Amino acid sequence: GAVVSQHPSRVICKSGTSVKIECRSLDFQATTMFWYRQFPKKSLMLMATSNEGSKATYEQGVEKDKFLINHASLTLSTLTVTSAHPEDSSFYICSATKGLLYNEQFFGPGTRLTVL
Amino acid sequence: EDQVTQSPEALRLQEGESSSLNCSYTVSGLRGLFWYRQDPGKGPEFLFTLYSAGEEKEKERLKATLTKKESFLHITAPKPEDSATYLCAVLTIQGAQKLVFGQGTRLTINP
Repeated sequence: GAVVSQHPSRVICKSGTSVKIECRSLDFQATTMFWYRQFPKKSLMLMATSNEGSKATYEQGVEKDKFLINHASLTLSTLTVTSAHPEDSSFYICSATKGLLYNEQFFGPGTRLTVL
Repeated sequence: EDQVTQSPEALRLQEGESSSLNCSYTVSGLRGLFWYRQDPGKGPEFLFTLYSAGEEKEKERLKATLTKKESFLHITAPKPEDSATYLCAVLTIQGAQKLVFGQGTRLTINP
């Protein structure tokens, strides 16, 4: 199998606070993990690519100081939204690949972030 | 610039009414084309990977095909549980492991 989990599934926070979202590959080692953002009725927008043990690569227009990504192990990546504002409210989804020889990305169930 | 366009944006069918979803792509070098299913409030679920023109893959009522310019997702005798958004994405030679997604087709199957 190739199961990816995310925690939490939903989070509501106040403006100005930070929120951490975890992404775990449950039954495989993920050399690369990806973080996406999805607005209602829109497609997925890649935010960043993270490789275990190295700094994440952010897509153009994504603030790396606002969206902190850590890929500390082969099964865990975290996304921290710092000083969240209402415009950061969105659906955040992570995905993982099994390695460079594998093309398929397996997605987590997503995290709904609402910033009040 | 690599581009993926899906059509139609939304499609309503009656149960049992077969149809096809289209995914057109313009890329510098295709490594693979992927189809995913996404239910509301959930992450995308992997369906198929296609690598070369002429390739076909099937899973239950779904069949995916690939040409040099586009891919089709054929749905035969659909059931209400097939209602979802279907996403197409491409992996390019230049793009490392980055997927480029289309905007999706929202499919609704009425009983």
